[in-house]
Amino acid sequence: DIQMTQSPSSVSASVGDRVTITCRASQIISSFLAWYQQKPGEVPKLLIYVSSRLQSGVPSRFSGSGSGTDFTLTISSLQPEDFATYYCQQANSFPLTFGGGTRVEIK
Amino acid sequence: QLQLQESGPGLVKPSETLALTCSVSGGSISRSDYYWGWIRQPPGKALEWIGIIDYSGTTYYSASLTSRVSISVDVSKNQFSVRLHSVIVADTAIYYCVQWSASQGSFDPWGRGTLVAVSS
Repeated sequence: DIQMTQSPSSVSASVGDRVTITCRASQIISSFLAWYQQKPGEVPKLLIYVSSRLQSGVPSRFSGSGSGTDFTLTISSLQPEDFATYYCQQANSFPLTFGGGTRVEIK
Repeated sequence: QLQLQESGPGLVKPSETLALTCSVSGGSISRSDYYWGWIRQPPGKALEWIGIIDYSGTTYYSASLTSRVSISVDVSKNQFSVRLHSVIVADTAIYYCVQWSASQGSFDPWGRGTLVAVSS
């Protein structure tokens, strides 16, 4: 199985901050990586697919980059509604796997 | 707009079989390039992929669950189902049904999720 490791596991930030979350795959996964946002008590929401493509309706302050084994999700200017847990997920090969999550908390 | 809705018991006894069904509305389950799947999330923990199936019945499963899980599809009812055998307390989780795009590699949309507790 391909292991997905996210860092940090949690980050404290203020509104307006730039936040970067990383996701590392244990094997090369090309660009087959997606990012999801999950707020407490809510269903996960797709933000980005194929490493950098923004899902329709997702604000442009979210961006993704990377290929191979190292990927990043960046929130350019953190908004109050962005405080949530973020998950990466690889789709290069089965079984599909998720990262352990990164919790973005209010500083 | 495609919508998915899980249904099934909220409580299962240890050693028994967990069975859930996902009803798809707003679109056909017989769509090429799409799979239908299940993801679970134990309380306070991360997402865990269970498996997926396409309309023809091709399946892929989690390595850790493959000996206990089966996913099936009923095209006539626009539904798909999951069965998890010999459940244990650690199988307690919110179970989500999802659509998976093979071209994008991503899960969207998601059902609202259903909490299944394993307890005697």
